[in-house]
Amino acid sequence: EPEVTQTPSHQVTQMGQEVILRCVPISNHLYFYWYRQILGQKVEFLVSFYNNEISEKSEIFDDQFSVERPDGSNFTLKIRSTKLEDSAMYFCASRPTGATGGYTFGSGTRLTVV
Amino acid sequence: GQNIDQPTEMTATEGAIVQINCTYQTSGFNGLFWYQQHAGEAPTFLSYNVLDGLEEKGRFSSFLSRSKGYSYLLLKELQMKDSASYLCAVRGWAAGNKLTFGGGTRVLVKP
Repeated sequence: EPEVTQTPSHQVTQMGQEVILRCVPISNHLYFYWYRQILGQKVEFLVSFYNNEISEKSEIFDDQFSVERPDGSNFTLKIRSTKLEDSAMYFCASRPTGATGGYTFGSGTRLTVV
Repeated sequence: GQNIDQPTEMTATEGAIVQINCTYQTSGFNGLFWYQQHAGEAPTFLSYNVLDGLEEKGRFSSFLSRSKGYSYLLLKELQMKDSASYLCAVRGWAAGNKLTFGGGTRVLVKP
C-alpha cells in the first residue's frame, strides 16, 4: 500500500535554530497538508498546499513557518528560529482529488526543541 | 469555525462493543472521518461519512446525522489491539478541504 514518507523520524534542535522537515507524499496525490500534535493534545491543522501554492493556513502558521515543494516528489516544512513550544509531532498528509479521497498521514517527525 | 466534541476516555472488555460519539458544529461540512491513532504513531483512516446513515466496514461501523451534527463509531468484537485513540475529524469546504480534529477518545480494552 502506498505510503507518505517523512524524514527525519526524530529531530532535536536548539532554541533559535532552523529546522526543515521533509515529506514525500503519495505519487498521484495532489493535495498536501502539514499538521502538528503537541504531546497529549489534539491534531492541529497548519497548512494545506495545492498546485504549488498554499490554499489555506491556520493562525499557528505565522511568518516563522514556510512550506515548499522543491521538486516533483518532496514537500517540506521549514520552521525558523524554533521555540520551546514548537516541540511536537509533525505529520504530513496527502490525498488524491475526488470527494471521497482519503487523507493518508506519514509516520511523523518528533521535534524536540531544547 | 469548527467545534468538535468527543469523550476523553472509554473502557471496555475484550469481545464487547463500544460506541464513541462525536458532535460537531461547523461553518461548512463536507464529510466526517474517523481515524485510529496508537500512541506515538500516525493517524490511520478508518471510515468516511458524507451522507446520513450507517457505513459498515468489518468490525467497525460509522454513523452520521447531519441535521443533528452527530456521528458515532462502533467497534464490535473488541480486541486488545483496538486499545488506541479514536479521532473524529470534519472536512470543511474551504480551498484546501482541511480536516479539523476533535480531541480524540482513548479506548482501553481490558481482558
